[in-house]
Amino acid sequence: GDSVTQMEGPVTLSEEAFLTINCTYTATGYPSLFWYVQYPGEGLQLLLKATKADDKGSNKGFEATYRKETTSFHLEKGSVQVSDSAVYFCALSDRGSGSRLTFGEGTQLTVNP
Amino acid sequence: NAGVTQTPKFQVLKTGQSMTLQCAQDMNHEYMSWYRQDPGMGLRLIHYSVGAGITDQGEVPNGYNVSRSTTEDFPLRLLSAAPSQTSVYFCASSSGTGGRETQYFGPGTRLLVL
Repeated sequence: GDSVTQMEGPVTLSEEAFLTINCTYTATGYPSLFWYVQYPGEGLQLLLKATKADDKGSNKGFEATYRKETTSFHLEKGSVQVSDSAVYFCALSDRGSGSRLTFGEGTQLTVNP
Repeated sequence: NAGVTQTPKFQVLKTGQSMTLQCAQDMNHEYMSWYRQDPGMGLRLIHYSVGAGITDQGEVPNGYNVSRSTTEDFPLRLLSAAPSQTSVYFCASSSGTGGRETQYFGPGTRLLVL
């Protein structure tokens, strides 16, 4: 079945550092890929998404490119801020499964001033 | 526009008790779902619905019941709570079932079963 694997966390960075969170996936069809973010005490909210190969999703300085050849969707940001501290989830939705999301384990990011 | 709302925010149950977690959305979304979040496991799908009167099981449905009598509401029922159901529960909705749509999550219900 479908699965998503994220890099192990937690990740601790200093403000203005470069961020990469790795995400790889396994899917039988042609999935859409998502990054959701969960700020402390809140529900998840969409950060960015890509719905086909080579698409790049971007939002709030974060970027991720849908790489079908490496089955990856790594999240990057050039300069993190303290306000980016949160848990980041990579997820996929396979077209054959409707809107059901399969999530990775989540990566806790802490940014120190 | 409140989005997705969930009640209660926090609940403590004793083993064997029953309860209903409420979820409502005001965006006229046809798709709604319930997830549970456990440490180190991400979110796992419990049940979902593609429209009023239509529900189906997700990855971890045992011990939970759902129904969808209206487009707006999608309650989750625990029939006989067990300690293994201690978790944070999230309700989500989206405008379609094509797999590309953004899902909107509620703030969550934290459940502790003693």
